[in-house]
Amino acid sequence: GESVGLHLPTLSVQEGDNSIINCAYSNSASDYFIWYKQESGKGPQFIIDIRSNMDKRQGQRVTVLLNKTVKHLSLQIAATQPGDSAVYFCAEIGDSNYQLIWGAGTKLIIKP
Amino acid sequence: DTEVTQTPKHLVMGMTNKKSLKCEQHMGHRAMYWYKQKAKKPPELMFVYSYEKLSINESVPSRFSPECPNSSLLNLHLHALQPEDSALYLCASSQGRDSGTEAFFGQGTRLTVV
Repeated sequence: GESVGLHLPTLSVQEGDNSIINCAYSNSASDYFIWYKQESGKGPQFIIDIRSNMDKRQGQRVTVLLNKTVKHLSLQIAATQPGDSAVYFCAEIGDSNYQLIWGAGTKLIIKP
Repeated sequence: DTEVTQTPKHLVMGMTNKKSLKCEQHMGHRAMYWYKQKAKKPPELMFVYSYEKLSINESVPSRFSPECPNSSLLNLHLHALQPEDSALYLCASSQGRDSGTEAFFGQGTRLTVV
């Protein structure tokens, strides 16, 4: 079946350093991937997305990389700030038109 | 307006109570969703409405009853809940797969069943 998973449940990063959050997926037919950020007590917030016809997409301080060969997705956050502290979820659009398949989540902790 | 608004933010209810959660979006999205999220877990899909019709029910117990009065509103009626139903209930909306399909989430209703 389809699944989206994360390699690390918790990631601690020094403020100012770059963060890399990884995600693996199993459905090679998936063609759309999303990263969400969820701060404590809030709903998930869209960060960036990527379609399977791309390898890389950049936003403001964030970059998503997609490696279809090994079915791997990563989120890179440049110059990590205290406000980046949150749980980060990768998600995949499954075979249905509307259904998100979620990874387990990675908690990002910023050390001062 | 890229907001999904949920009310109330917090709700405490007894197991014999009837309550409703409300959700509203004005982005013209065709699909609206209810998710349940337990602590330290990803959201779990409960229901999907597409063009105001229920298209997906993820085997949710009948004590949860969704309703979509119009294309901008989504309700979740709660009756005879159990303590294990305590969770963050999230509403989301999206256009769908073929056009800018990220889902926008509300801030959630923190539900506690006592």
